[in-house]
Amino acid sequence: GAVVSQHPSRVICKSGTSVKIECRSLDFQATTMFWYRQFPKQSLMLMATSNEGSKATYEQGVEKDKFLINHASLTLSTLTVTSAHPEDSSFYICSARGTGTGSREQYFGPGTRLTVT
Amino acid sequence: AQSVAQPEDQVNVAEGNPLTVKCTYSVSGNPYLFWYVQYPNRGLQFLLKYITGDNLVKGSYGFEAEFNKSQTSFHLKKPSALVSDSALYFCAVRGLGSGNTGKLIFGQGTTLQVKP
Repeated sequence: GAVVSQHPSRVICKSGTSVKIECRSLDFQATTMFWYRQFPKQSLMLMATSNEGSKATYEQGVEKDKFLINHASLTLSTLTVTSAHPEDSSFYICSARGTGTGSREQYFGPGTRLTVT
Repeated sequence: AQSVAQPEDQVNVAEGNPLTVKCTYSVSGNPYLFWYVQYPNRGLQFLLKYITGDNLVKGSYGFEAEFNKSQTSFHLKKPSALVSDSALYFCAVRGLGSGNTGKLIFGQGTTLQVKP
């Protein structure tokens, strides 16, 4: 089956620093990747949608200058949290959608736990 | 606007009993519906989906869901619950319409607790 990985799985950083999270589709090409944020015991909130080779589309209320998304290849998208603050602490999950008949499904990564101190 | 509702924050069942996790949706047109399960500190795992065809959809780990168009529901069911089924369950609908990128709209999640 389709596998999506995220790295790192857990990261702690100091306030004011930037953190990069990688999302990779391991055995398929992902034309579209999605980035979600999840607070404890809450639903997933879509932050942005990225298509390979083009700028990401951000959901309303998400600061694009703070959450930089790059989708440079068909297997890799990155989310960079710039000038992180404690309120950015959350669980970040990516998903990937490929091409072809299975393209209606999104395959989710295992998530990255970000803690900003 | 498209939306998904999971009316129960938590469902408690005894092991071996049948379980139901409820989901209702609101979309224009024919919906694409999904169920996902999430274990602590993990990403989401796909359970099943309804695109078209039979209203009863069978998925992973013995789960199934019934699409009911008149009631706009897509309840998740399992005939006999296991303790290992205890997790957080999300219902989702895929956004429709021109220019849509296929983003999913999630319900708020239901915690399933199966007790021995």
